[in-house]
Amino acid sequence: EVQLLESGGGLVQPGGSLRLSCAASGFTFSSYVMIWVRQAPGKGLEYISSVSGSAAAASYADSVKGRFTISRDNSKNTLYLQMNSLRAEDTAVYYCTKRPGGSGNFDSWGQGTLVTVSS
Amino acid sequence: EVVLTQSPGTLSLSPGERATLSCRASQSVSSSNLGWYQQKPGQAPRLLIYGASNRATGIPDRFSGSGSGTDFTLTISRLEPEDFAVYYCQQYGGSPLYTFGQGTKLEIK
Repeated sequence: EVQLLESGGGLVQPGGSLRLSCAASGFTFSSYVMIWVRQAPGKGLEYISSVSGSAAAASYADSVKGRFTISRDNSKNTLYLQMNSLRAEDTAVYYCTKRPGGSGNFDSWGQGTLVTVSS
Repeated sequence: EVVLTQSPGTLSLSPGERATLSCRASQSVSSSNLGWYQQKPGQAPRLLIYGASNRATGIPDRFSGSGSGTDFTLTISRLEPEDFAVYYCQQYGGSPLYTFGQGTKLEIK
């Protein structure tokens, strides 16, 4: 059974940093593109960042470029999101998800972790 | 950037009725990269349809997807009580790599 378990969320002050983790199991982690998607309270889904299976290629939404860094450790089956210079508008539930090769869509999702940026 | 516009914003129907949800792209999207998700309150999204018309694992056959180019549709043939939720379309390609529609809320009439 595929499982994606996010952790690391919490309350942080504006300008602060936080690192999210997503522990994966039940599939060959290194074979999948992994993605972070967020959802602000009462809002829709927003793509944040993605990384290839080998970690050779990463992509970011303009809203987080230069502030967030995605990474992965295939030996630990874990995806990360380092978030720096956090702003109030980064407040959201952050989901990790995966994309099978040959498909452009996300077939499994974690339960999400809440990040609140507030003073 | 590919912008996905979903309509209607809210759809009010009764159980047993047919639901038709639309997703229009600002430029042509590869059908293989268009998907639909269902999200219930307090839950993560769930993939319903991938590649525009393929049901994901475990998805009932009352859910179907169609379309190509810039116009895509999610149809629920006969609504069950558990189908009332928010639905999002999503595409892959371009910059940013992935975009979502703003969502359609399917509510009980």
